[in-house]
Amino acid sequence: EDQVTQSPEALRLQEGESSSLNCSYTVSGLRGLFWYRQDPGKGPEFLFTLYSAGEEKEKERLKATLTKKESFLHITAPKPEDSATYLCAVENNAGNMLTFGGGTRLMVKP
Amino acid sequence: DVKVTQSSRYLVKRTGEKVFLECVQDMDHENMFWYRQDPGLGLRLIYFSYDVKMKEKGDIPEGYSVSREKKERFSLILESASTNQTSMYLCASSRGREKKAFFGQGTRLTVV
Repeated sequence: EDQVTQSPEALRLQEGESSSLNCSYTVSGLRGLFWYRQDPGKGPEFLFTLYSAGEEKEKERLKATLTKKESFLHITAPKPEDSATYLCAVENNAGNMLTFGGGTRLMVKP
Repeated sequence: DVKVTQSSRYLVKRTGEKVFLECVQDMDHENMFWYRQDPGLGLRLIYFSYDVKMKEKGDIPEGYSVSREKKERFSLILESASTNQTSMYLCASSRGREKKAFFGQGTRLTVV
C-alpha cells in the first residue's frame, strides 16, 4: 500500500526565513510526485510534478526536489502570502489514483 | 482559465437525508474524482470515473455512490446522510493519463 508522510505538520516562519518541507513516500513504482498548495476554505492548487530522482522544479520562491524516498519543498525568503497548507501526493505505476499526505500548514509572520 | 465548479460551498443536511453534490468541469477532461478531506486524515479518494457512465471505487466508497451521465458532470450521492459524513468534499478532474488534477473550491457539508 502506498504511503505518504509529510513533516512537519505545522511550520511557523518569520518573513525571509528560508526552510524546507518534507514529503517521505513508499510507493510501488513511482510514476509521479505532485505538490499542491491549499488556501483555507479552497481546493488545492497544482504547483509541481516530479517524475524521477534528481529532478528539480522551481516557481518563484519555491523549489521542489526529488530523491528515491522523499521530496523537499524549499521555500526561499518566504512572504506572508506564502502561508498555506502544502500537500504532497504520489502516483504509482499500477493505478490511476493519487495518494495524498496529510499536508504541512505553513504560517509566515511579517 | 480552467475551471472545476462545485454546486455549493456550504451545505447543512439532516441525518437520513439523501444528499447530492454536483461538480462540473469545462476542460473536456476524461477523469473526474471525488475526495473528502478531514483534519489529520488528509485527502481520501471516494470514487473516480474515467469516462461517461464509468465509475471506480476509491479508498472509502462506503455510504456513497456516484453518477456520470455527461462527460463534464460528476455527482456524488449520499444515500442516507450520517453525522460521520460531515466533511469537506473536493471534486477534481484530469486529462487522460495525466494525474495533474484541477480541484474545485470544495463543499463543506455538515450533517446534523
